[in-house]
Amino acid sequence: QVQLVQSEAEVKKPGASVKVSCKPSGYTFSGYSVYWVRQAPGQGLECMGRVNLNSGATNYAQRFQGRVTMTRDTSISTAYLELSGLRSDDTAVYFCAISVVAGGALDMWGQGTMVTVSS
Amino acid sequence: DIVMTQTPLSSPVTLGQPASISCRSSQSLVYSDGNTYLSWLQQRPGQPPRLLIYKISNRFSGVPDRFSGSGAGTDFTLKISRVEAEDVGVYYCMQATQFPFTFGQGTKLEIK
Repeated sequence: QVQLVQSEAEVKKPGASVKVSCKPSGYTFSGYSVYWVRQAPGQGLECMGRVNLNSGATNYAQRFQGRVTMTRDTSISTAYLELSGLRSDDTAVYFCAISVVAGGALDMWGQGTMVTVSS
Repeated sequence: DIVMTQTPLSSPVTLGQPASISCRSSQSLVYSDGNTYLSWLQQRPGQPPRLLIYKISNRFSGVPDRFSGSGAGTDFTLKISRVEAEDVGVYYCMQATQFPFTFGQGTKLEIK
């Protein structure tokens, strides 16, 4: 079964950085962009940005510019989200997602990675 | 960024009855290629979102035909013809016409 598998939950202190991974399982995705979407506890969904798995080109939502880095390792078909300068309001579930067959829609999602920022 | 506004934010529905959710965008979602990249997602508790509808009215693979989408321009609707217990969750509209993609606030569907 094709799915996106994300790294395990993390607990970080304020000011630290976190790096979350996202790897397709059961298939090698090339030519796709991986989107990162976060969801604070009890809140809605927020798109943070995207990274193209082929070129490595990135686009970030303006509110995360300067704090977020999205990369990929083509040798293992894995995408990464790194968020620095963590604050308590960065506590959220971070999802990766891609658009495989449904044009302009995110039709495959990872299981989510909980990142808790607490002193 | 394009602002997506959903109504209602909560929808108590009787099993077997229809449900409807509206979504309005702050600007037209028609892209330069003529497509309108408006989708609907369902999120059950503790689960990642699941795609239901894409490009306004196309049901994604495996989605029951009781779900349908309609609309154009800036106004869109998701309808469930007969609500079942498994439909409980939060529904989001999402636009992918302009980056960054943006979501509605979510509509919580619950059974009366």
